[in-house]
Amino acid sequence: QKEVEQDPGPLSVPEGAIVSLNCTYSNSAFQYFMWYRQYSRKGPELLMYTYSSGNKEDGRFTAQVDKSSKYISLFIRDSQPSDSATYLCAIYYQGGSEKLVFGKGTKLTVNP
Amino acid sequence: KAGVTQTPRYLIKTRGQQVTLSCSPISGHRSVSWYQQTPGQGLQFLFEYFSETQRNKGNFPGRFSGRQFSNSRSEMNVSTLELGDSALYLCASSPSPGNTIYFGEGSWLTVV
Repeated sequence: QKEVEQDPGPLSVPEGAIVSLNCTYSNSAFQYFMWYRQYSRKGPELLMYTYSSGNKEDGRFTAQVDKSSKYISLFIRDSQPSDSATYLCAIYYQGGSEKLVFGKGTKLTVNP
Repeated sequence: KAGVTQTPRYLIKTRGQQVTLSCSPISGHRSVSWYQQTPGQGLQFLFEYFSETQRNKGNFPGRFSGRQFSNSRSEMNVSTLELGDSALYLCASSPSPGNTIYFGEGSWLTVV
């Protein structure tokens, strides 16, 4: 079982739709959780990070963590064509050797 | 505040050659990590440096090496290049290990 699983998509939605992106993880020793956005031929940029279970909002973006289910989500409200990118979840693991583990990314296209 | 700077952005090398990639972290950041990104494998951790010492290393052959200088700048080297080394190499920095990391734009390496 991989440490972090993320549906690669691709995901295509109309402008204005609510987008849900998800990751599951296997190890409960994970510490904190991040979402990165990567535009084509660019480096990933940090969107959000959170340490605890529950929701964290930032504008149109909401990060949700359910530690009991080992499940994290990123919701995008009122999606825009400029949101078209690959979204990567990342989980920081501290147990033995510290490391940051990434999902493979979900490619999102928002159609005008 | 300047972001993470990577050079060169694009390069083409021949099998068997070696390559050195450079990374300048965000000012004040002392931890630098390197990742390889390919369509098939996603983001894979190469190594992390802090205070000129390698803290962690991913599961890559010894042909991949790196170092960090006293000013926190870092280089990675790949010797005896193989076709499969073609990838986007990303450098990321953080104030210290375990903190949120910020990526550079990456160096695109093509091995022919």
